[in-house]
Amino acid sequence: AQSVTQPDIHITVSEGASLELRCNYSYGATPYLFWYVQSPGQGLQLLLKYFSGDTLVQGIKGFEAEFKRSQSSFNLRKPSVHWSDAAEYFCAVGVIQGAQKLVFGQGTRLTINP
Amino acid sequence: DTGVSQDPRHKITKRGQNVTFRCDPISEHNRLYWYRQTLGQGPEFLTYFQNEAQLEKSRLLSDRFSAERPKGSFSTLEIQRTEQGDSAMYLCASSSAPNEKLFFGSGTQLSVL
Repeated sequence: AQSVTQPDIHITVSEGASLELRCNYSYGATPYLFWYVQSPGQGLQLLLKYFSGDTLVQGIKGFEAEFKRSQSSFNLRKPSVHWSDAAEYFCAVGVIQGAQKLVFGQGTRLTINP
Repeated sequence: DTGVSQDPRHKITKRGQNVTFRCDPISEHNRLYWYRQTLGQGPEFLTYFQNEAQLEKSRLLSDRFSAERPKGSFSTLEIQRTEQGDSAMYLCASSSAPNEKLFFGSGTQLSVL
């Protein structure tokens, strides 16, 4: 069965600093991988996804993620965070066979210090 | 694109009562999903519709839960005889194809007292 682990429940960084959020997955085949962001009162928004091809994926809002099969990881990065990046971030692994059924990690809450 | 709408935003009910939530997907999306999110956890898949057909249900969806999408447009999720463990955020999402991104609604927060 698929599973996702986000080791960091809460991360605090200063505005302008770089960011890396960790994600490890367990899946028997080539995974479909996603990062979503959830702000208070807002729906989940897709930041980026990996299906195949280039292992470095670019997303919206200046985020990128790198798929490393050998480490079963899909870490999210941003070179310089903005106060508006404060939110909950979820990594997910998906089965796509007629339906996009996602298994989410428990999330990482990002706090930005001014 | 008006987004995915969910109604109500909040629902407080007493244990044992029935509740019903509504989801209006993006109009041209034929795939509709229900997820549940408890505090401090990521969303968990509940069920999925392609048009009006409910094609998959999670084991999380007990017999007290029923979902419908009668005309392939909006969907309802009903919980009968609510229990305190049903307290959660119920999220709806839609997409136009299996590998197209999911658009999530803001959710319905259910509190069972």
